[in-house]
Amino acid sequence: EAQVTQNPRYLITVTGKKLTVTCSQNMNHEYMSWYRQDPGLGLRQIYYSMNVEVTDKGDVPEGYKVSRKEKRNFPLILESPSPNQTSLYFCASSTGQGAYEQYFGPGTRLTVT
Amino acid sequence: GENVEQHPSTLSVQEGDSAVIKCTYSDSASNYFPWYKQELGKRPQLIIDIRSNVGEKKDQRIAVTLNKTAKHFSLHITETQPEDSAVYFCAASRWDSNYQLIWGAGTKLIIKP
Repeated sequence: EAQVTQNPRYLITVTGKKLTVTCSQNMNHEYMSWYRQDPGLGLRQIYYSMNVEVTDKGDVPEGYKVSRKEKRNFPLILESPSPNQTSLYFCASSTGQGAYEQYFGPGTRLTVT
Repeated sequence: GENVEQHPSTLSVQEGDSAVIKCTYSDSASNYFPWYKQELGKRPQLIIDIRSNVGEKKDQRIAVTLNKTAKHFSLHITETQPEDSAVYFCAASRWDSNYQLIWGAGTKLIIKP
């Protein structure tokens, strides 16, 4: 089954404790991205990757890191999480960036206390 | 850069009536306009999209219209049903493969029984 998976689905952590949210897709998509979703603000792109070892900042990259060492995986790293990073996070993949269907993962609900 | 405004933020309609959600964009070079539906607790999923070489596209009860002159596009849902209750997001992009999708803030559609 074609899908995008994320782990964990729910995470409660404390300020400053490094965490990683994993994202994996099995559709051989070149393009992957991370979004955060906050009430009233819609979907805001954090980082995206056009292919292996190619990543770039989205609209709200501060406080986040990513890596793309394999085509199927695109982890999101929060080195020192802060309460303003409490949000719902979605990973997405597609065959290209702008004009292609984005396939979203199930989401990760992160709470930073 | 591109900016997408979406209205209304909340829309409540009687079951069986029609619903219309409108988005305006700022970049006249934008030529790809998708709509995503996000049911409560689930991931966004593409429901319909339109490219600038057509003015309207239909898929059963859903249609999207595009007015390039006025730089706005709209989602029309006819004969609304309870399962249409969701948050709907519009987005805009350029067909050139490296351009980002720019998202609207979302519309919460409530179908009243």
